[in-house]
Amino acid sequence: GESVGLHLPTLSVQEGDNSIINCAYSNSASDYFIWYKQESGKGPQFIIDIRSNMDKRQGQRVTVLLNKTVKHLSLQIAATQPGDSAVYFCAENIGAGGTSYGKLTFGQGTILTVHP
Amino acid sequence: NAGVTQNPKFQVLKTGQSMTLQCAQDMNHNSMYWYRQDPGMGLRLIYYSASEGTTDKGEVPNGYNVSRLNKREFSLRLESAAPSQTSVYFCASSDRQGNSPLHFGNGTRLTVT
Repeated sequence: GESVGLHLPTLSVQEGDNSIINCAYSNSASDYFIWYKQESGKGPQFIIDIRSNMDKRQGQRVTVLLNKTVKHLSLQIAATQPGDSAVYFCAENIGAGGTSYGKLTFGQGTILTVHP
Repeated sequence: NAGVTQNPKFQVLKTGQSMTLQCAQDMNHNSMYWYRQDPGMGLRLIYYSASEGTTDKGEVPNGYNVSRLNKREFSLRLESAAPSQTSVYFCASSDRQGNSPLHFGNGTRLTVT
């Protein structure tokens, strides 16, 4: 089946900078996307989601952008902090009218390192 | 409110041994899932339960069985462990079918020697 992938496996930024993590997906039928943060020794933590009828969604210090034309998803973190250091995963769900029961397909992850 | 709780946190098995991984959620979610996470492979779905009383295979179900004991609990059983099942296992739940975020536990780290 089709899968979600990430352009960059690692990203290093300075504290206070903005971070952008990218994700490419290849399944045009995917209609729901999620970003997760995973810290060492913990399970993935939900950050933000977006449905395919939207181009942009904002949360607290995070913004997700969806470009369906080129099948691209990005996560922007404003004023990145050392506590943001983690592995970030994008995931897609082929909604099919809500029958996919959360069978998410995950990318391999991007390691974000924030230097003080 | 603990969210999703998994036990045990760590386990070492010998090849051929059996064990059950426990998972419970206190968010009154309908759907529950078992994923495994391997280096370079991301998270892969083993089994899921869309609602109490139902279970279905995911992407990598071979060598596993599951039981949805009640709405809160969803267990994963390895009948005859193999070294290829060395992994970190995550249980997750979501509040409705389809497009809603999954909430994950902190995982069980299993080593099969």
